[in-house]
Amino acid sequence: DAKTTQPNSMESNEEEPVHLPCNHSTISGTDYIHWYRQLPSQGPEYVIHGLTSNVNNRMASLAIAEDRKSSTLILHRATLRDAAVYYCILPTWDGDKIIFGKGTRLHILP
Amino acid sequence: SQTIHQWPATLVQPVGSPLSLECTVEGTSNPNLYWYRQAAGRGLQLLFYSVGIGQISSEVPQNLSASRPQDRQFILSSKKLLLSDSGFYLCAWSVHGGGGYTFGSGTRLTVV
Repeated sequence: DAKTTQPNSMESNEEEPVHLPCNHSTISGTDYIHWYRQLPSQGPEYVIHGLTSNVNNRMASLAIAEDRKSSTLILHRATLRDAAVYYCILPTWDGDKIIFGKGTRLHILP
Repeated sequence: SQTIHQWPATLVQPVGSPLSLECTVEGTSNPNLYWYRQAAGRGLQLLFYSVGIGQISSEVPQNLSASRPQDRQFILSSKKLLLSDSGFYLCAWSVHGGGGYTFGSGTRLTVV
């Protein structure tokens, strides 16, 4: 897998936007950028993915840099339920396996 | 719609005992299947993945094994559990060629 780098942890206030960064400077032209999150005591859940263009869904937005060497997951209005570990991943196409890094632990302050 | 079932939810086993965790997927055919483990306070470690019946790739050598006897069934086993096998075990599936992963609810294994 191409390597991704994320901050170990971040804090945000409730009802404020959150920008979670991810660096992937060795990304190849065909690598998709996936984001997952893991709530406490649960399995990871898919959040969003994209290739080149910015993407929006009901959970979040994904902003991808023009050179694709970094991306940002945007939670527009954080709630306490958004406290989780967020993983930025570039899935390998070798058997379609995903290798998870340590992710960013997001703390939401009430 | 597709669903993934994983059981049991929790398990306490003595050291040296065998292990069998089962995962089944419904609503899709020929999925990629995965077993991950998460030790307490640690990240997710890919243990095994399978792209088809009887095809198992091992990522980490250990005393665990996996089998895929049917298209939508993935089993994680051990003949003799170690204390270090304790953790949160997650099964997941995906379609071939990329796309998102869907995880099961996990099995929390405590080896005592």
